[in-house]
Amino acid sequence: NAGVTQTPKFQVLKTGQSMTLQCAQDMNHEYMSWYRQDPGMGLRLIHYSVGAGITDQGEVPNGYNVSRSTTEDFPLRLLSAAPSQTSVYFCASSYLRQAPEAFFGQGTRLTVV
Amino acid sequence: AQRVTQPEKLLSVFKGAPVELKCNYSYSGSPELFWYVQYSRQRLQLLLRHISRESIKGFTADLNKGETSFHLKKPFAQEEDSAMYYCALSEDRGSTLGRLYFGRGTQLTVWP
Repeated sequence: NAGVTQTPKFQVLKTGQSMTLQCAQDMNHEYMSWYRQDPGMGLRLIHYSVGAGITDQGEVPNGYNVSRSTTEDFPLRLLSAAPSQTSVYFCASSYLRQAPEAFFGQGTRLTVV
Repeated sequence: AQRVTQPEKLLSVFKGAPVELKCNYSYSGSPELFWYVQYSRQRLQLLLRHISRESIKGFTADLNKGETSFHLKKPFAQEEDSAMYYCALSEDRGSTLGRLYFGRGTQLTVWP
């Protein structure tokens, strides 16, 4: 089972560059989300989606865009990378119901120089 | 407002010692509580959730609504328990089903 697949695993960007982090799941989960993980800050929600065509902002959405054209895919776009966006990014998916188990991708370690 | 608080960033114990990772929450409804674990260089994975009332890898957690706590406990820690542990909360309201609120995590180190 593939589960949640994130690409790339590692990325180095220059300040001002744009890029897209890819996330795909094959479990037919309605709910998908993006988190960033920073030391001492835990996991902070960037954006989330409860289904195709529906997205909403999380806790730290500035500088990021998302779209959900299909159930399977939920890409995260960095519009103009900044050093403050250096972080580890995780995509997660789950069923949209009470007490959902979230399945996480392997993470993308992004460095912005 | 922080819905989930993990007061300890770091926790170290020796192998065989009991371990307790603290988690407190703030929510007026009936939350669902979880513990997620991230071993070195691996993805986050669910360890246990309170509705299951099960013991996973020797860990248990009891939801105490009076103290709004969901502490994770293990009577005899093992070296392989060394990892980052996250407490998480899911609300019971329809508009936010699926959304998880995470604490800041506790890095557990078990010394030999």
